[in-house]
Amino acid sequence: DIQMTQSPSTLSASVGDRVTITCRASQTISGWLAWYQQKPGKAPKLLIYMASSLESGVPSRFSGSGSGTEFTLTISSLQPDDFATYYCQQYDSFALTFGGGTKVEIK
Amino acid sequence: EVQLVESGGGSVQPGGSLRLSCAASGFTFSPYFMHWVRQAPGRGLVWLSRISDDAEGSHTTYADYVRGRFTVSRDNTMLYLQMNSLRADDTGVYYCARGRGSTTSSNFFDYWGQGALVTVSS
Repeated sequence: DIQMTQSPSTLSASVGDRVTITCRASQTISGWLAWYQQKPGKAPKLLIYMASSLESGVPSRFSGSGSGTEFTLTISSLQPDDFATYYCQQYDSFALTFGGGTKVEIK
Repeated sequence: EVQLVESGGGSVQPGGSLRLSCAASGFTFSPYFMHWVRQAPGRGLVWLSRISDDAEGSHTTYADYVRGRFTVSRDNTMLYLQMNSLRADDTGVYYCARGRGSTTSSNFFDYWGQGALVTVSS
Protein backbone atom coordinates (compact mmCIF):
# COMPACT_ATOMS: atom_id res chain seq x y z
CA ASP A 1 0.00 0.00 0.00
CA ILE A 2 1.05 3.60 -0.54
CA GLN A 3 2.16 5.19 2.73
CA MET A 4 1.26 8.81 3.37
CA THR A 5 3.39 10.77 5.84
CA GLN A 6 2.24 14.12 7.16
CA SER A 7 4.36 16.70 8.92
CA PRO A 8 4.29 18.16 11.42
CA SER A 9 2.00 16.01 13.54
CA THR A 10 1.14 19.04 15.68
CA LEU A 11 1.41 22.70 14.80
CA SER A 12 0.91 25.65 17.15
CA ALA A 13 -0.10 28.87 15.47
CA SER A 14 -1.88 32.16 16.06
CA VAL A 15 -4.84 33.72 14.31
CA GLY A 16 -3.60 35.43 11.18
CA ASP A 17 -0.58 33.15 10.72
CA ARG A 18 0.24 31.48 7.43
CA VAL A 19 0.25 27.73 7.99
CA THR A 20 1.70 25.00 5.79
CA ILE A 21 1.21 21.26 6.21
CA THR A 22 3.20 18.74 4.18
CA CYS A 23 2.14 15.31 2.96
CA ARG A 24 4.58 12.88 1.35
CA ALA A 25 3.68 9.72 -0.53
CA SER A 26 5.86 6.61 -0.53
CA GLN A 27 5.53 6.46 -4.33
CA THR A 28 4.28 8.79 -6.99
CA ILE A 29 0.54 9.45 -6.94
CA SER A 30 0.46 12.07 -9.70
CA GLY A 31 -2.08 14.61 -8.40
CA TRP A 32 -4.53 12.15 -6.87
CA LEU A 33 -4.58 13.72 -3.43
CA ALA A 34 -7.31 15.14 -1.22
CA TRP A 35 -7.23 17.14 2.02
CA TYR A 36 -9.79 17.02 4.82
CA GLN A 37 -10.46 19.01 7.98
CA GLN A 38 -11.82 17.28 11.06
CA LYS A 39 -13.03 18.85 14.29
CA PRO A 40 -13.47 16.86 17.53
CA GLY A 41 -16.53 14.63 17.47
CA LYS A 42 -17.34 15.51 13.87
CA ALA A 43 -16.97 13.82 10.50
CA PRO A 44 -14.16 14.98 8.22
CA LYS A 45 -14.89 17.70 5.69
CA LEU A 46 -13.44 17.77 2.18
CA LEU A 47 -11.29 20.84 1.51
CA ILE A 48 -9.15 20.10 -1.55
CA TYR A 49 -9.14 17.39 -4.23
CA MET A 50 -6.87 16.65 -7.16
CA ALA A 51 -4.10 18.24 -5.09
CA SER A 52 -5.14 21.83 -5.75
CA SER A 53 -8.86 22.03 -6.58
CA LEU A 54 -10.82 23.85 -3.91
CA GLU A 55 -14.07 22.17 -2.93
CA SER A 56 -17.16 24.32 -3.38
CA GLY A 57 -17.94 26.40 -0.32
CA VAL A 58 -14.45 26.14 1.18
CA PRO A 59 -12.85 29.52 1.95
CA SER A 60 -10.20 30.70 -0.47
CA ARG A 61 -7.62 31.00 2.32
CA PHE A 62 -7.18 27.24 1.88
CA SER A 63 -4.99 26.12 -1.01
CA GLY A 64 -3.23 22.96 -2.07
CA SER A 65 -0.22 22.32 -4.24
CA GLY A 66 2.18 19.60 -5.30
CA SER A 67 2.42 16.54 -7.51
CA GLY A 68 4.23 13.25 -7.60
CA THR A 69 5.20 12.50 -4.00
CA GLU A 70 5.18 15.85 -2.18
CA PHE A 71 2.13 17.97 -1.44
CA THR A 72 1.25 20.93 0.74
CA LEU A 73 -1.88 22.41 2.27
CA THR A 74 -1.61 26.11 3.03
CA ILE A 75 -3.91 28.29 5.09
CA SER A 76 -3.01 31.84 4.14
CA SER A 77 -4.37 33.53 7.26
CA LEU A 78 -5.44 31.22 10.07
CA GLN A 79 -8.91 31.90 11.44
CA PRO A 80 -10.43 30.75 14.76
CA ASP A 81 -12.60 28.23 12.91
CA ASP A 82 -9.50 26.59 11.38
CA PHE A 83 -8.17 25.02 14.58
CA ALA A 84 -8.71 21.37 13.77
CA THR A 85 -6.94 18.25 12.54
CA TYR A 86 -6.08 17.96 8.86
CA TYR A 87 -5.63 14.75 6.87
CA CYS A 88 -4.33 14.04 3.40
CA GLN A 89 -5.58 11.04 1.40
CA GLN A 90 -4.24 9.47 -1.77
CA TYR A 91 -6.52 7.91 -4.34
CA ASP A 92 -3.98 6.84 -6.91
CA SER A 93 -4.29 3.18 -5.95
CA PHE A 94 -7.30 0.99 -5.23
CA ALA A 95 -6.14 0.73 -1.62
CA LEU A 96 -6.91 4.24 -0.39
CA THR A 97 -4.70 5.57 2.40
CA PHE A 98 -4.65 8.59 4.69
CA GLY A 99 -1.84 10.48 6.31
CA GLY A 100 -1.57 10.36 10.08
CA GLY A 101 -3.02 13.82 10.56
CA THR A 102 -1.79 17.26 11.58
CA LYS A 103 -3.39 18.94 14.57
CA VAL A 104 -3.42 22.73 14.35
CA GLU A 105 -3.53 24.15 17.86
CA ILE A 106 -3.83 27.64 19.26
CA LYS A 107 -0.46 29.10 20.19
CA GLU B 1 -29.42 18.15 0.84
CA VAL B 2 -27.15 15.12 0.77
CA GLN B 3 -27.43 13.10 3.98
CA LEU B 4 -25.78 9.90 5.11
CA VAL B 5 -26.98 8.41 8.39
CA GLU B 6 -25.28 5.39 9.95
CA SER B 7 -26.94 3.00 12.37
CA GLY B 8 -26.26 -0.37 13.93
CA GLY B 9 -23.27 0.46 16.09
CA GLY B 10 -22.87 -0.90 19.59
CA SER B 11 -20.86 -3.15 21.85
CA VAL B 12 -19.88 -6.68 20.90
CA GLN B 13 -17.54 -9.31 22.28
CA PRO B 14 -14.40 -10.36 20.43
CA GLY B 15 -15.27 -12.88 17.75
CA GLY B 16 -18.76 -11.49 17.41
CA SER B 17 -20.58 -9.91 14.50
CA LEU B 18 -22.30 -6.63 13.80
CA ARG B 19 -24.01 -5.09 10.78
CA LEU B 20 -23.82 -1.38 10.11
CA SER B 21 -26.29 0.43 7.87
CA CYS B 22 -26.02 3.78 6.15
CA ALA B 23 -29.16 5.46 4.81
CA ALA B 24 -28.55 7.82 1.91
CA SER B 25 -30.84 10.66 0.88
CA GLY B 26 -30.77 13.88 -1.09
CA PHE B 27 -29.03 12.44 -4.14
CA THR B 28 -29.39 9.68 -6.69
CA PHE B 29 -27.64 6.82 -4.91
CA SER B 30 -26.98 4.34 -7.69
CA PRO B 31 -24.22 6.10 -9.73
CA TYR B 32 -21.91 6.74 -6.78
CA PHE B 33 -19.11 4.66 -5.32
CA MET B 34 -19.63 4.35 -1.57
CA HIS B 35 -17.02 3.74 1.13
CA TRP B 36 -16.54 2.83 4.76
CA VAL B 37 -13.85 4.58 6.82
CA ARG B 38 -12.93 3.87 10.44
CA GLN B 39 -11.38 5.99 13.16
CA ALA B 40 -10.10 4.32 16.32
CA PRO B 41 -10.37 6.43 19.51
CA GLY B 42 -7.83 9.26 19.35
CA ARG B 43 -6.38 7.97 16.10
CA GLY B 44 -6.44 8.81 12.41
CA LEU B 45 -8.67 7.79 9.53
CA VAL B 46 -8.43 4.35 7.95
CA TRP B 47 -10.19 3.36 4.74
CA LEU B 48 -11.89 -0.04 4.94
CA SER B 49 -13.88 -0.80 1.83
CA ARG B 50 -15.49 0.48 -1.35
CA ILE B 51 -18.43 -0.63 -3.42
CA SER B 52 -18.86 0.56 -6.96
CA ASP B 53 -22.00 1.90 -8.50
CA ASP B 54 -24.88 -0.34 -9.48
CA ALA B 55 -24.08 -0.03 -13.19
CA GLU B 56 -20.76 -1.78 -12.57
CA GLY B 57 -22.48 -4.59 -10.75
CA SER B 58 -21.45 -3.34 -7.30
CA HIS B 59 -17.82 -4.44 -7.42
CA THR B 60 -16.19 -4.44 -3.99
CA THR B 61 -12.67 -3.68 -2.74
CA TYR B 62 -11.28 -4.12 0.78
CA ALA B 63 -8.29 -3.10 2.84
CA ASP B 64 -6.06 -6.04 3.76
CA TYR B 65 -6.89 -5.81 7.48
CA VAL B 66 -10.63 -6.43 6.91
CA ARG B 67 -10.68 -8.60 3.80
CA GLY B 68 -12.35 -11.91 4.56
CA ARG B 69 -14.00 -10.57 7.72
CA PHE B 70 -16.02 -7.60 6.47
CA THR B 71 -18.52 -7.49 3.60
CA VAL B 72 -19.88 -4.33 2.03
CA SER B 73 -23.15 -4.33 0.11
CA ARG B 74 -25.76 -1.90 -1.15
CA ASP B 75 -29.35 -1.79 -2.28
CA ASN B 76 -31.79 0.96 -3.18
CA THR B 77 -30.56 3.84 -1.00
CA MET B 78 -28.81 1.80 1.67
CA LEU B 79 -25.19 0.89 2.26
CA TYR B 80 -24.22 -1.94 4.60
CA LEU B 81 -21.13 -3.29 6.32
CA GLN B 82 -21.34 -6.81 7.71
CA MET B 83 -18.53 -7.26 10.23
CA ASN B 84 -17.59 -10.75 11.41
CA SER B 85 -14.82 -12.11 13.63
CA LEU B 86 -14.49 -8.74 15.31
CA ARG B 87 -11.33 -7.93 17.24
CA ALA B 88 -10.52 -5.35 19.88
CA ASP B 89 -8.63 -3.29 17.32
CA ASP B 90 -11.80 -2.97 15.24
CA THR B 91 -13.10 -0.59 17.91
CA GLY B 92 -13.82 2.87 16.59
CA VAL B 93 -16.21 5.19 14.84
CA TYR B 94 -17.31 3.89 11.46
CA TYR B 95 -18.18 6.43 8.80
CA CYS B 96 -19.92 5.85 5.52
CA ALA B 97 -18.76 8.26 2.87
CA ARG B 98 -19.72 9.06 -0.69
CA GLY B 99 -17.12 8.98 -3.43
CA ARG B 100 -17.18 12.02 -5.67
CA GLY B 101 -18.18 10.00 -8.70
CA SER B 102 -18.15 6.62 -10.31
CA THR B 103 -14.57 6.36 -11.47
CA THR B 104 -11.36 5.47 -9.66
CA SER B 105 -10.21 9.07 -10.15
CA SER B 106 -13.15 10.07 -7.96
CA ASN B 107 -12.15 7.95 -4.96
CA PHE B 108 -12.16 10.79 -2.47
CA PHE B 109 -15.01 11.58 -0.13
CA ASP B 110 -17.29 14.56 -0.57
CA TYR B 111 -19.98 13.65 1.97
CA TRP B 112 -19.69 11.75 5.24
CA GLY B 113 -22.15 10.38 7.75
CA GLN B 114 -22.01 11.32 11.41
CA GLY B 115 -20.43 7.99 12.32
CA ALA B 116 -21.44 4.90 14.28
CA LEU B 117 -19.43 3.79 17.32
CA VAL B 118 -18.45 0.13 17.49
CA THR B 119 -16.84 -1.18 20.67
CA VAL B 120 -15.30 -4.64 20.69
CA SER B 121 -14.55 -5.72 24.22
CA SER B 122 -15.03 -8.65 26.55
